[in-house]
Amino acid sequence: NAGVTQTPKFQVLKTGQSMTLQCAQDMNHNSMYWYRQDPGMGLRLIYYSASEGTTDKGEVPNGYNVSRLNKREFSLRLESAAPSQTSVYFCASSDGQPQPQHFGDGTRLSIL
Amino acid sequence: GQQLNQSPQSMFIQEGEDVSMNCTSSSIFNTWLWYKQDPGEGPVLLIALYKAGELTSNGRLTAQFGITRKDSFLNISASIPSDVGIYFCAGPRYGGSQGNLIFGKGTKLSVKP
Repeated sequence: NAGVTQTPKFQVLKTGQSMTLQCAQDMNHNSMYWYRQDPGMGLRLIYYSASEGTTDKGEVPNGYNVSRLNKREFSLRLESAAPSQTSVYFCASSDGQPQPQHFGDGTRLSIL
Repeated sequence: GQQLNQSPQSMFIQEGEDVSMNCTSSSIFNTWLWYKQDPGEGPVLLIALYKAGELTSNGRLTAQFGITRKDSFLNISASIPSDVGIYFCAGPRYGGSQGNLIFGKGTKLSVKP
């Protein structure tokens, strides 16, 4: 019973490098989300996908792109990483509710 | 702008004690959410409230949607060690998209030494 699985758990990048954060859920949920969590700021929505084939911007989308590959998978891509993107990234999913219900354990990303 | 103020910021509990925490705002919310986050893990949705005055329980947890729609309360009865963690309240951001939430800064629950 995996729930929401994120990979990798930790990553260190240099400024300007690119990478993709992977997320998969096995609950057959329609909606998936990407958040970042920074100290003192709570979680902020980067992008969300209400259903397979659709994606929309959240509160802080600049510098990121997403792909809803299929119903299970929702990836987050940093094309040119910047130090300001150092954060903990959480993927989440929900079904039938307009807010995230299940979160992954996060990806801790440091950009030097 | 919208803000959620949680209190207390932290508290120590002894096993068996009841715990109360609250979340207030100067703005009206139509939905109140309570999440718990353990170290190194993602948040877990505990309770969702959708109607003013609503009282909802999840095991030993009970949350209430304040009548003024500007506050919410979370109570934990007969606390146990696994209740330790950070509790966040959250609500939808005005004009925001699905999933675009405002979070409080959290109430950190620790065990009394």
